[in-house]
Amino acid sequence: EAGVAQSPRYKIIEKRQSVAFWCNPISGHATLYWYQQILGQGPKLLIQFQNNGVVDDSQLPKDRFSAERLKGVDSTLKIQPAKLEDSAVYLCASLGLISSDEQFFGPGTRLTVL
Amino acid sequence: DAKTTQPPSMDCAEGRAANLPCNHSTISGNEYVYWYRQIHSQGPQYIIHGLKNNETNEMASLIITEDRKSSTLILPHATLRDTAVYYCIVATLKLSFGAGTTVTVRA
Repeated sequence: EAGVAQSPRYKIIEKRQSVAFWCNPISGHATLYWYQQILGQGPKLLIQFQNNGVVDDSQLPKDRFSAERLKGVDSTLKIQPAKLEDSAVYLCASLGLISSDEQFFGPGTRLTVL
Repeated sequence: DAKTTQPPSMDCAEGRAANLPCNHSTISGNEYVYWYRQIHSQGPQYIIHGLKNNETNEMASLIITEDRKSSTLILPHATLRDTAVYYCIVATLKLSFGAGTTVTVRA
């Protein structure tokens, strides 16, 4: 089966600019996650969707970060405006019903904020 | 606020077994022990998980102590491609990653 797709793979922006990341989960996976991974640290959960509804966004900095999953498939994560400390890898993961204990991760988008 | 303690790094020789320890003394009764790994510039990859019993799959074995306060991930025959950061996570549904153990397999 095809894996989790993310784009772009790399993005460089200046602070105060906006940026958006896209994720296409594995077909049929209802649960989708966005993680932020700062260099040298483990991934940190930002938001979890179940179909097109938000299950957990407690760690999402809502003043600048937003995410949506309008049709319960693809998802976008946006940062507006970006800060230097947002430099990180943004990972998308999905979870299926059959293999419901295993999250499948995409390759991530590496964001550099200058 | 990860619930696990892992050594920051370890080396192992190619072809030998790699034993990765993890302490999780505050684990709750309904929490599973998960292991993921992350090869450089890739997303994390699921390895194995367990609740109480020892588990084995094509990638690794998971040994959980009877009191569930610690566990060991065993890579039976480490290869250079097993060089990665290994994360031990205790969770029900929500994964909380710590810093993990950087495992370097040497030829």
